[in-house]
Amino acid sequence: EAQVTQNPRYLITVTGKKLTVTCSQNMNHEYMSWYRQDPGLGLRQIYYSMNVEVTDKGDVPEGYKVSRKEKRNFPLILESPSPNQTSLYFCASSWDSGNSPLHFGNGTRLTVT
Amino acid sequence: KQEVTQIPAALSVPEGENLVLNCSFTDSAIYNLQWFRQDPGKGLTSLLLIQSSQREQTSGRLNASLDKSSGRSTLYIAASQPGDSATYLCAVSPNFGNEKLTFGTGTRLTIIP
Repeated sequence: EAQVTQNPRYLITVTGKKLTVTCSQNMNHEYMSWYRQDPGLGLRQIYYSMNVEVTDKGDVPEGYKVSRKEKRNFPLILESPSPNQTSLYFCASSWDSGNSPLHFGNGTRLTVT
Repeated sequence: KQEVTQIPAALSVPEGENLVLNCSFTDSAIYNLQWFRQDPGKGLTSLLLIQSSQREQTSGRLNASLDKSSGRSTLYIAASQPGDSATYLCAVSPNFGNEKLTFGTGTRLTIIP
């Protein structure tokens, strides 16, 4: 089944404890992206990647890191999480960055205390 | 800066009725517009993608229209069913690519059996 898989689905952590949210797609998509969704603010892009070893900042990159060492994987790293990073996170991918629809994972709900 | 608005934020409709969801954007220089649905606890599912050169796209009971000059798009759902209950989001892209999508905050649709 074609899908974007995020892990974990739920995560509760404490301020300053490094964490990684994994994202993997099995559709051989070139383009991948991370979003956060907050009430009243909608989805905002954190980082995106056009292809392997090519990443760029979105609208809200502060406090996050990403890497794209393999085509299928695009992990999101929070080196020192803070409470304002409590949010619902989505990974998405598409065939290319052009006129192709985005496929989303089921989300990771992160709580930082 | 592009702004995408979806009004109303919530809508309840009796089963079987036809309905229209609205999406407006401030900058008419878009490349494409996508409609998504989001179910509780799930990621977004792409419904329709309209290129800027198109006026509408259809998929089953769904029809999306685009009027670039007025900065508006509508999603028409025919013969609504309880399974259509979800949050519907639109997103616009300023150029060839998904990397700069701007999302609306969505309309939460409830179909009353």
